[in-house]
Amino acid sequence: DTEVTQTPKHLVMGMTNKKSLKCEQHMGHRAMYWYKQKAKKPPELMFVYSYEKLSINESVPSRFSPECPNSSLLNLHLHALQPEDSALYLCASSRFSSGRGYEQYFGPGTRLTVT
Amino acid sequence: GENVGLHLPTLSVQEGDNSIINCAYSNSASDYFIWYKQESGKGPQFIIDIRSNMDKRQGQRVTVLLNKTVKHLSLQIAATQPGDSAVYFCAEIVQGGSEKLVFGKGTKLTVNP
Repeated sequence: DTEVTQTPKHLVMGMTNKKSLKCEQHMGHRAMYWYKQKAKKPPELMFVYSYEKLSINESVPSRFSPECPNSSLLNLHLHALQPEDSALYLCASSRFSSGRGYEQYFGPGTRLTVT
Repeated sequence: GENVGLHLPTLSVQEGDNSIINCAYSNSASDYFIWYKQESGKGPQFIIDIRSNMDKRQGQRVTVLLNKTVKHLSLQIAATQPGDSAVYFCAEIVQGGSEKLVFGKGTKLTVNP
């Protein structure tokens, strides 16, 4: 099973809402990632978790709050977002940190629209 | 990171032809490279990778070439099929360094039947 699943597939939220994106993998991977992808652009790294600990935060605004409850799950909590935060949010995982040369497997993404 | 992926933004080929997608990278310390394919509405899908101790690697219908002298990477797709239509991204990383995978800008491949 080389699948990374993400829920929901689509999300529309207002600027005052609180919502969460979920990601799950059952490949035994110990590194998990959140990316943001705007239309016609490459994915941009947001956060990296390695062995369930946050190892990289790419200066992401605090209205995005990641959480890694266990080695299979990764959440992204959203609060007080802005319309410019509308994007495709991708989760990925790799066996170990990609810095050790391991490929990342991506989920299908959550298409987020902030109104 | 922003310099990864100097490229033609779009490439149009006829079904059955070979496709070549190019990518230039700027970090001479990068030693692991990956090509991803992203179809509309989907996440990036791993195609093939190559480490810096290799010049060439072949997969099923795909070949990646790495020229470290000029910091250039290419993806060759043989006998291109309509299902190959997608955006292709090269990505680089420094092994043993940061966990940050840096993506190039992407090339949109369109295969005409």
